[in-house]
Amino acid sequence: DAGVTQSPTHLIKTRGQQVTLRCSPKSGHDTVSWYQQALGQGPQFIFQYYEEEERQRGNFPDRFSGHQFPNYSSELNVNALLLGDSALYLCASSEWGQGIGWTGELFFGEGSRLTVL
Amino acid sequence: DQQVKQNSPSLSVQEGRISILNCDYTNSMFDYFLWYKKYPAEGPTFLISISSIKDKNEDGRFTVFLNKSAKHLSLHIVPSQPGDSAVYFCAASEVTSGTYKYIFGTGTRLKVLA
Repeated sequence: DAGVTQSPTHLIKTRGQQVTLRCSPKSGHDTVSWYQQALGQGPQFIFQYYEEEERQRGNFPDRFSGHQFPNYSSELNVNALLLGDSALYLCASSEWGQGIGWTGELFFGEGSRLTVL
Repeated sequence: DQQVKQNSPSLSVQEGRISILNCDYTNSMFDYFLWYKKYPAEGPTFLISISSIKDKNEDGRFTVFLNKSAKHLSLHIVPSQPGDSAVYFCAASEVTSGTYKYIFGTGTRLKVLA
């Protein structure tokens, strides 16, 4: 059973460029959340997708946008990259709602490390 | 405004002893809490959770305690093992209608000495 997979694992961009990161959720999961983790910090919530709609959003500018596809996979797009966007981007999947046996657990991928020069 | 705080950036413990990691939060609406462990170059791994209707949850060597009046939770690891050396994050969320937005602390680096 594949867990959460993210691609690419590493990438380097220059300021002003655009980047797209991809995520496939764990089998059976329908909800995808994206987090940004800067060096020495905890993961910061960017947004959450369910049924192809953005359901929650953190304090990130509109340069950060996303998409969820019918197969539940998701993309994170960042436009007009800044040096401060350099970070590890984590995708987490889960099940929507709190049914019987729900533990609240988010399953994380290994992340995409973005370096902006 | 840091809603979830882990005030100890690092902690060293002897193998076999108890490790206690602490976490404070400010939002009284938070009703679900998680602990994660993270090794370098890996994504965070879920350890244990607790809802606000409980004050304790155990899973093997890991126990989480929640003190709602103090807005404080702690993770106890007994006995500590060298493989437990990692960065530990606490996270909190208000869960409403199926949606949740976890706020993470800045992490505590645990080193278990053999």
